Amino acid sequence: EVQLVESGGGLVQPGGSLRLSCAASGFTFSTYSMNWVRQAPGKGLEWVSYISSSGITYYADSMKGRFTISRDNAKNSLDLQMNSLRAEDTAVYYCARRGDSSGYYRAFDMWGQGTMVTVSS
Amino acid sequence: QSALTQPPSASGSPGQPVTISCTGTSSDVGGYNFVSWYQQHPGKAPKLMIYGVSKRPSGVPDRFSGSKSGNTASLTVSGLQAEDEADYYCSSYAGSNIYVFGAGTKVTVL
Repeated sequence: EVQLVESGGGLVQPGGSLRLSCAASGFTFSTYSMNWVRQAPGKGLEWVSYISSSGITYYADSMKGRFTISRDNAKNSLDLQMNSLRAEDTAVYYCARRGDSSGYYRAFDMWGQGTMVTVSS
Repeated sequence: QSALTQPPSASGSPGQPVTISCTGTSSDVGGYNFVSWYQQHPGKAPKLMIYGVSKRPSGVPDRFSGSKSGNTASLTVSGLQAEDEADYYCSSYAGSNIYVFGAGTKVTVL
């Protein structure tokens, strides 16, 4: 089955760190670029970060210097290291595949179920 | 990286059409033909409905269509069905592998 499964969410204090993971299966992970997208409670979607198949990375301005995206193509996994967390980082974090290799250019054609991150004291 | 502008809500009776607008700038919507639309039911992950402004992924009903004029993109559902009640988000590529989303539109089937 083609799927993405996130893990690693939880409750963390302001200023703390958390590492999210996304396990990919059912497709050739190494040929796809990947993204993290988040959604604060009751709010809209917000793009967080991108990583190419070869490891080139980009970040939304508010995450630069605090978040680090990485991938392990041998393990079919995607990570997001989040440091210096703030209350406004509270959200469901989704990993999303960019569908260029499937013909869905510059669109997110597959999403995980999301993992909740709560930043609170 | 400012959010795209969508109306907060839209509604229509079953079988009627509904159109959602998505306004950006020449740096995103107007600058690239990479606008996509996502449907999200409560508690679920988003689902790709339209990509490349007007293309439908396999399995998406043909009552969903997309278009763009200048800095504004639109999603039209030509004949609303009960299962179309959901939140809809537009997204645009903004260059350098950066993306921007709209705030979402809640579609209600009356």
